[in-house]
Amino acid sequence: QSVLTQPPSASGTPGQRVTISCSGSSSKIGVDTINWYQQVPGTAPKLLIYSNNQRPSGVPDRFSGSKSGTSASLAISGLQSEDEADYYCAAWDDSLNGNWVFGGGTKLTVL
Amino acid sequence: QVQLVQSGAEVKKPGSSVKVSCKASGDTFSGYGISWVRQAPGQGLEWMGGIIPIFGTANYAQKFQGRVTIIADRSMTTAYMEMNSLTSEDTAVYYCARSHPPYCSGGRCHGFDFWGQGTLVTVSS
Repeated sequence: QSVLTQPPSASGTPGQRVTISCSGSSSKIGVDTINWYQQVPGTAPKLLIYSNNQRPSGVPDRFSGSKSGTSASLAISGLQSEDEADYYCAAWDDSLNGNWVFGGGTKLTVL
Repeated sequence: QVQLVQSGAEVKKPGSSVKVSCKASGDTFSGYGISWVRQAPGQGLEWMGGIIPIFGTANYAQKFQGRVTIIADRSMTTAYMEMNSLTSEDTAVYYCARSHPPYCSGGRCHGFDFWGQGTLVTVSS
């Protein structure tokens, strides 16, 4: 069971704004930053947001991230058909040996 | 442009080992961490471990400690992941991924900014 919990699915219509949540089960997650990845089926993940709210070069500003306490959110505005993908949150967990943990993923469907 | 190119698909018998390579091009290799992340069919992402080639010491998720070895050949700008005692539950796509910024470790890294194309490892008798 992941220490990061995401809803298994989300949906929206073109042009709509959707949000995907990611909640941490440990107070440790609350002090670490959250990254978000987008994965189109059959392809490698792509870094979408890092350090809670920073976009790598080339990521459209339709994508935004936020974090409060032990929860984080990814927002996608002006939803487009090509946004249909799986989305994963991730954080560093210092417990045990220390490791990157991923949420279970959220499948976004554009209706 | 940074590229991570992985070796091809593998089919292995239970109990055997597999070694997957990840060759980097387009940027300095040694200072950036390389991690391995796997994805079982229809499942999510699972971090296995990583290495910063210039330092040479790998760290592993506890689940894989003792069964997985990650090394880096700085002269060949290639990282490797070897897993032994394979079972059917190891059937997955294995990805290498680069951490950023350079020389970061653990929570000081800003995620994985470049990924390999993935290598399917199938474990079947």
